[in-house]
Amino acid sequence: AQSVAQPEDQVNVAEGNPLTVKCTYSVSGNPYLFWYVQYPNRGLQFLLKYITGDNLVKGSYGFEAEFNKSQTSFHLKKPSALVSDSALYFCAVYGSGNTGKLIFGQGTTLQVKP
Amino acid sequence: DGGITQSPKYLFRKEGQNVTLSCEQNLNHDAMYWYRQDPGQGLRLIYYSQIVNDFQKGDIAEGYSVSREKKESFPLTVTSAQKNPTAFYLCASSLGTARGYTFGSGTRLTVV
Repeated sequence: AQSVAQPEDQVNVAEGNPLTVKCTYSVSGNPYLFWYVQYPNRGLQFLLKYITGDNLVKGSYGFEAEFNKSQTSFHLKKPSALVSDSALYFCAVYGSGNTGKLIFGQGTTLQVKP
Repeated sequence: DGGITQSPKYLFRKEGQNVTLSCEQNLNHDAMYWYRQDPGQGLRLIYYSQIVNDFQKGDIAEGYSVSREKKESFPLTVTSAQKNPTAFYLCASSLGTARGYTFGSGTRLTVV
């Protein structure tokens, strides 16, 4: 079955420390992977995507993600966290069969403390 | 600027009443989607439409209805048959596979 897993409901980091939000996926064929961020009472905003090419993808607000095919992972990272990075993060992957539908993970709340 | 607009931002409904949430996009996207988000939960797909005059049920379509008469518009009706309608509703649109989604800012529906 096609799926996306975000194993941590919440990640806590101190401001200035590196952060990682984990994502693993299960889909047949080549995955198209996305990260979105959601601030309270707002819609989701696009951060970055992996379609093909370089395994390290750079996105908005200093975020990056590393695609690892052997581990079927697409972890979101940032070298130095900001308090303003505190939000809900969603990983997503397109299902196979060209359905055009994104499959979303359950979301991970990132809390950055001063 | 191109974008996707949901209205209203907040909506209150009495039990037993139908209510329609608006979603309009000027991005020329073919596909549109409705999701429901509950506190502490992820996104659940209600309905989606990949082309005008056609739509499909998502994972939790019961108690909801949609129409897609125009490319720009994909309104969602929450009917009285929906047993627990209080939630945050998100509309999204997409140009196609691998392009990702553009989301609206959401409508918070509260049943009083």
